[in-house]
Amino acid sequence: EDQVTQSPEALRLQEGESSSLNCSYTVSGLRGLFWYRQDPGKGPEFLFTLYSAGEEKEKERLKATLTKKESFLHITAPKPEDSATYLCAVQAGTGRRALTFGSGTRLQVQP
Amino acid sequence: NAGVTQTPKFQVLKTGQSMTLQCAQDMNHEYMSWYRQDPGMGLRLIHYSVGAGITDQGEVPNGYNVSRSTTEDFPLRLLSAAPSQTSVYFCASSRADYGYTFGSGTRLTVV
Repeated sequence: EDQVTQSPEALRLQEGESSSLNCSYTVSGLRGLFWYRQDPGKGPEFLFTLYSAGEEKEKERLKATLTKKESFLHITAPKPEDSATYLCAVQAGTGRRALTFGSGTRLQVQP
Repeated sequence: NAGVTQTPKFQVLKTGQSMTLQCAQDMNHEYMSWYRQDPGMGLRLIHYSVGAGITDQGEVPNGYNVSRSTTEDFPLRLLSAAPSQTSVYFCASSRADYGYTFGSGTRLTVV
């Protein structure tokens, strides 16, 4: 059974204080690992897809990396507008094509 | 291009009532999924579809039915609502091998 564990559950940072969010996964043949951002009262918004170990992707202050067991979302010099819940999900290479999600990390960036 | 449209946005049901949550996408995506999101539990897969006429169960399918007669529409039916089905429901769609696009959600309360 595919499983995704995210840590920490919640993270409070000062503006400009860089940090990383962790996503550990077990999946039968990884097809893709996805990062989403979710703001209160809204649907998840797609950020990145990573397909193989060693891959990295960047978008503004966010950088996602992937190993065979986990993924990290690095946030460099965050701003208050980066405050949101960040969700990690995996898609297996066999069977269903739907995503299995972790429970998310709630990030709060204080000015 | 509207993306994924969910209706209604809010709904209150009495225990035992039935209803259909609507989901439509205009991106010609093959894959569609329904998730529920509960506090502290992340997004859990209810049902999914890999194309018109093809549906399958996810992690938490009991009490829900789906059908997919067209590529665009993927309605979710609650057969006999129970308080345990109080949740936020998200519909999502995807082209093969790409990240899912989510709707804005339906907030359902069963009293």
